[in-house]
Amino acid sequence: AQKITQTQPGMFVQEKEAVTLDCTYDTSDPSYGLFWYKQPSSGEMIFLIYQGSYDQQNATEGRYSLNFQKARKSANLVISASQLGDSAMYFCAMREGWTGNQFYFGTGTSLTVIP
Amino acid sequence: KAGVTQTPRYLIKTRGQQVTLSCSPISGHRSVSWYQQTPGQGLQFLFEYFSETQRNKGNFPGRFSGRQFSNSRSEMNVSTLELGDSALYLCASSLGASGGPGELFFGEGSRLTVL
Repeated sequence: AQKITQTQPGMFVQEKEAVTLDCTYDTSDPSYGLFWYKQPSSGEMIFLIYQGSYDQQNATEGRYSLNFQKARKSANLVISASQLGDSAMYFCAMREGWTGNQFYFGTGTSLTVIP
Repeated sequence: KAGVTQTPRYLIKTRGQQVTLSCSPISGHRSVSWYQQTPGQGLQFLFEYFSETQRNKGNFPGRFSGRQFSNSRSEMNVSTLELGDSALYLCASSLGASGGPGELFFGEGSRLTVL
């Protein structure tokens, strides 16, 4: 089974609108971390936001927020007030446990912001 | 603070050759991970080094190897190159200590083309 599933290969959003990128995960480890990364066409992966499995509140970082629904095993990324520079690939990732750095990545969602 | 530096950025090899890629992590980061990114398979974990020891290994053949030096710099080597090894190879560093987000900081990658 896939550890991370991103079901939206491509998304379009109007500039200044909000957009939600879906991510579901699969793990039996009670301790895990969920991450979102942005990859522009230049190729570098940019860390956006993190949610720990024991965190009670949804994580927020500026215009990014993570809608964490633990029972449904979902960790959707919400980008508010989209900007043209948000056009990129977005990857959801998970690390199980707290030691080691083996991250599992989803297949990504290509976001295009329309002016 | 300097980011993760990968060299070379681009390289072209022929089948059967070998290649060595280099990664200098962020100063103070002791964990270095390597990922292979291809359009078909997405991001796949190769291995992780922490304090010169391989801590985790992904599901790749023995042709893929790596090492980490005392200054945390890391190299990965691919021997007997195959066409399917053409990919973007991403290096990521993190503090590596347990607890806390432990997000990965990625370099810009080394794009390998095997002819």
